[in-house]
Amino acid sequence: GAGVSQSPSNKVTEKGKDVELRCDPISGHTALYWYRQSLGQGLEFLIYFQGNSAPDKSGLPSDRFSAERTGGSVSTLTIQRTQQEDSAVYLCASSLVLAGRTGELFFGEGSRLTVL
Amino acid sequence: KNQVEQSPQSLIILEGKNCTLQCNYTVSPFSNLRWYKQDTGRGPVSLTIMTFSENTKSNGRYTATLDADTKQSSLHITASQLSDSASYICVVSAPNAGKSTFGDGTTLTVKP
Repeated sequence: GAGVSQSPSNKVTEKGKDVELRCDPISGHTALYWYRQSLGQGLEFLIYFQGNSAPDKSGLPSDRFSAERTGGSVSTLTIQRTQQEDSAVYLCASSLVLAGRTGELFFGEGSRLTVL
Repeated sequence: KNQVEQSPQSLIILEGKNCTLQCNYTVSPFSNLRWYKQDTGRGPVSLTIMTFSENTKSNGRYTATLDADTKQSSLHITASQLSDSASYICVVSAPNAGKSTFGDGTTLTVKP
């Protein structure tokens, strides 16, 4: 596709349920990033992938959060046993090269998660 | 610890006026600094990139400056328009780094 695609755009779930958020990056982009943004706050780094491997998972808030990337393309962020504090917009970005090599991040529109 | 501090946190100006947003960072070593614009409900979009050797770069009405010695950058917006209302995020990267350090952003509101 022309840009980074995320689904669902909105997700309302009950506390304790599992959710999966999907990110389809720009074709050919080797780096893929997940961020979380709470209302009125800055972006919080969660994890990034270089190809299918995740060199840095340091931002994942707890072991309820996991992510995978297959085929060097689509990525899924899974949140198990959701809590109300997980409510936020989850943003995915992809980049042709790593940020440290002047890679520009192209962001999707985000998945807004609301945990009741 | 690498940090990026932006000021002011929020700013309100009248349409047609100029403004300057500030970014101070401690990231070292330094590779590049980007300014992103995030419209409400949208993902951020890159406005400019500054590398170590660059002092000034313009993109239309947006002009970014970088002083790598003092680790400061600014984003100047000229003749503001209502569509400039957004959050402006300063992002700094170290060489060969996978991830970058994000500032919390400056929320700009342009009023008619």
